[in-house]
Amino acid sequence: GQNIDQPTEMTATEGAIVQINCTYQTSGFNGLFWYQQHAGEAPTFLSYNVLDGLEEKGRFSSFLSRSKGYSYLLLKELQMKDSASYLCAVRALNAGNNRKLIWGLGTSLAVNP
Amino acid sequence: GAVVSQHPSWVICKSGTSVKIECRSLDFQATTMFWYRQFPKQSLMLMATSNEGSKATYEQGVEKDKFLINHASLTLSTLTVTSAHPEDSSFYICSARRTYFNYGYTFGSGTRLTVV
Repeated sequence: GQNIDQPTEMTATEGAIVQINCTYQTSGFNGLFWYQQHAGEAPTFLSYNVLDGLEEKGRFSSFLSRSKGYSYLLLKELQMKDSASYLCAVRALNAGNNRKLIWGLGTSLAVNP
Repeated sequence: GAVVSQHPSWVICKSGTSVKIECRSLDFQATTMFWYRQFPKQSLMLMATSNEGSKATYEQGVEKDKFLINHASLTLSTLTVTSAHPEDSSFYICSARRTYFNYGYTFGSGTRLTVV
């Protein structure tokens, strides 16, 4: 079956670094996304990985290992506004070669002063 | 660029009535629109996928006669919740995939539906 796991909650301190892990078991892997979602708002795109390795974008970086079915999102120099839910989503191709996003339950990150 | 406008932001309706939610891609053509539902503290649940000019593909367990989806043009898709019941109260979000854009999914701002 298709499955995505990520921690439910994490807490970190302002200015620190936090790593949010995501493991997945899917067939037809076609890319992994990280989105940020504040309460009551729609998700906003953070990063996309389709090849192994690290993608860096400012304070945010995302890593992918396809052989291990593993990704992480790294947030540096944490700010209070980074308190949000972080969603890991895997795009998979089904038997009909259609793309479909499979979402994790999200990691709720609380940044404390 | 890549903005999806979703309306209304919130709506309260009586049981048994119908509610229409619109999603418009403002500055790009959306070949595919995804409709999600999200309950509090839960992840996004895909309801259906619609391609412009064709019938929507519904996920297992989603009633196609209750959740009517129309994607008549490359810039507009609508979701109509028919005969709404309190259990339909949720956060509904659309997401568009751009034509010729390999991986971009842009989300609308969401609609908070409350059925009383």
